[in-house]
Order: sequence, then structure tokens, then C-alpha cells
Amino acid sequence: DAGVTQSPTHLIKTRGQQVTLRCSPISGHKSVSWYQQVLGQGPQFIFQYYEKEERGRGNFPDRFSARQFPNYSSELNVNALLLGDSALYLCASSSLRTAHTGELFFGEGSRLTVL
Amino acid sequence: GENVEQHPSTLSVQEGDSAVIKCTYSDSASNYFPWYKQELGKRPQLIIDIRSNVGEKKDQRIAVTLNKTAKHFSLHITETQPEDSAVYFCAAADNNDMRFGAGTRLTVKP
Repeated sequence: DAGVTQSPTHLIKTRGQQVTLRCSPISGHKSVSWYQQVLGQGPQFIFQYYEKEERGRGNFPDRFSARQFPNYSSELNVNALLLGDSALYLCASSSLRTAHTGELFFGEGSRLTVL
Repeated sequence: GENVEQHPSTLSVQEGDSAVIKCTYSDSASNYFPWYKQELGKRPQLIIDIRSNVGEKKDQRIAVTLNKTAKHFSLHITETQPEDSAVYFCAAADNNDMRFGAGTRLTVKP
């Protein structure tokens, strides 16, 4: 069975650019969450979507946005990139509407470097 | 929002010894407390979790305890093995949010 898949795995951008990261959840999972993991830190919650609706948002600026498609895949967009946006971006899927009350299945992540 | 403090940040034990990692949280609305293991370059994976109506849970060599009054929860690994070496993250969650600790790098020396 395919797990959570994310693309691209690595990318390099320059300050001010925009980036789009993609995630496909486990088949049958309707919830997708996005996390930012800075080197040496724990994952930090950005967004959660369930059935194409935003169910939760962490403490991130409006430069960060996301959406979920009818097939439950998701995109995370970051505009006007800053050096501090350099991190591993993790996508996690769940079968639960309230995703934070059960196991999250993480993808391998997209490592973003902003120069 | 709530913060999750995790200690120690690094832990080195001899193979066969026990390892204990402790976390505290601040939001009394938290009702779900998972522990994730992340090996170098890999994705985080759930190893054990506990809900707020339970004080202790055990799964083979791994156990978690929760003290809701004190807002403490701990991970206990007994009879450690080299393959237990990884970064361990605690987290505290309510229906809206999950907050992770900063992680503990566990090294098990053979």
C-alpha cells in the first residue's frame, strides 16, 4: 500500500519567490495536515484540511496558504519566501475529521532551502 | 495556545538500560498525547499514544504515563537496543491543534 507521498523532495528557492508543495494522502484518508520542521525542532502545525475544508490553522503568516482537492490531495503554497522559511515541510494524513486526536501518518517531507 | 517542553534534549544510554523522556504541557484542554520516533532522514512514526482518561499504557518495551493534574507525561523504554537510537518527539493535542516538543536525541551504545 502506498503511504503518504510528497513532492518535490528537495527544492531550492531565492528570497521573494513562491513555492508550491504537494501531498497525496493514504488511500481512504480524507484529512491532510501540514507541518513545518526546522532543523533540530519538532514539527509545527500549519494547516489541517478535511473534506476540502480548512479545519485548523497554526500561527503562521498569511504568506502560507493551502487547499485540498476533491481527491483529497493537497497543496501548500508559500509566497514571498524568507530565509527563515527554510525547513522540512511534512504532510500527514489521517482518517479522522479531528485529525489531532489520532495517529498521523507522515510523508517523507519536502526539504525547502531559501537562499 | 499551549507549549510543550521536552527533556532531556539528548540522552545516551548503554544497551539494555532504561531510557526516560519527560514532557510538560500548559493547555488543560489537551486530551491526546502521542509519541513519535524519527530516525535520521526518515518520517516521524507513531510509537505509542495515551488519552486523557488513562494514566498509563504499555506496549512491550515501551510505556507512557500521564499525570493530568501536574500536566506531565513521560515515555519509558526498557531494555534499550541500538535500533532504538533516534529522535523522539512528544506531543499534546486537543481537537484543533497538535503541538510537539523539541525532541530528544536518544543514543543507545552497544
